[in-house]
Amino acid sequence: QVRLQESGPGLVQPSETLSLTCSVSGGSISSYYWSWIRQPPGKELEWIGYIYKSGSTNYNPSLKSRVTLSVDTSKNQLSLKVTSVTAADTAVYYCARETLRFLERGNYWSFDLWGRGTLVTVSS
Amino acid sequence: AIQMTQSPSSLSASVGDRVTITCRAGQGIGNALAWYQQKPGTAPKLLIFAASNLQSGVPSRFSGSGSGTDFTLTISSLQPEDFATYYCLQNYNYPRTFGQGTKVEIK
Repeated sequence: QVRLQESGPGLVQPSETLSLTCSVSGGSISSYYWSWIRQPPGKELEWIGYIYKSGSTNYNPSLKSRVTLSVDTSKNQLSLKVTSVTAADTAVYYCARETLRFLERGNYWSFDLWGRGTLVTVSS
Repeated sequence: AIQMTQSPSSLSASVGDRVTITCRAGQGIGNALAWYQQKPGTAPKLLIFAASNLQSGVPSRFSGSGSGTDFTLTISSLQPEDFATYYCLQNYNYPRTFGQGTKVEIK
């Protein structure tokens, strides 16, 4: 059974860089798109971006200038970096697998597997 | 980015009630819509993909319908474990965008 586990500092200073890792166990990183999604306390979900095993990425324009995603296929790990953080970056950060389903009426994506999430607080 | 608007933002219902949540996309997205259930302190759980396809292991009391810009999630007979927040998500293009959520509370 494939499992995702986010890890990293729970507290980050304003203006510093937030760094998180997502470890994938029970399966390979290959053949899927891997996204990071965040949720500020009491608020809705926000897609941050995805990375593929090749290293190709796609970022949310709202965060693009501050976000970097990377992948280490040898370790089955994904990484997220967000620079110049402020209190607005305080959130639970999730990694999620995006799977493509092939149906008769078309091909459809969905985030079918999520990590448990990790809370990152930006505060001095 | 495609804006996703859910309604209502919250509702109160009793066990056994039929519950309907709607989601409207800011532009046509075909059937590229998913529904998620989230309970406090846990990650979202996929219920429905491709607008109307039930994810494996999800009870059949959950169903989805719609296409284009208007979509519906229906719970045919609300159970105690269904009290949660529900989100729609468009998988039509990037950036992926979620609705603001609908909280289903006990009446």
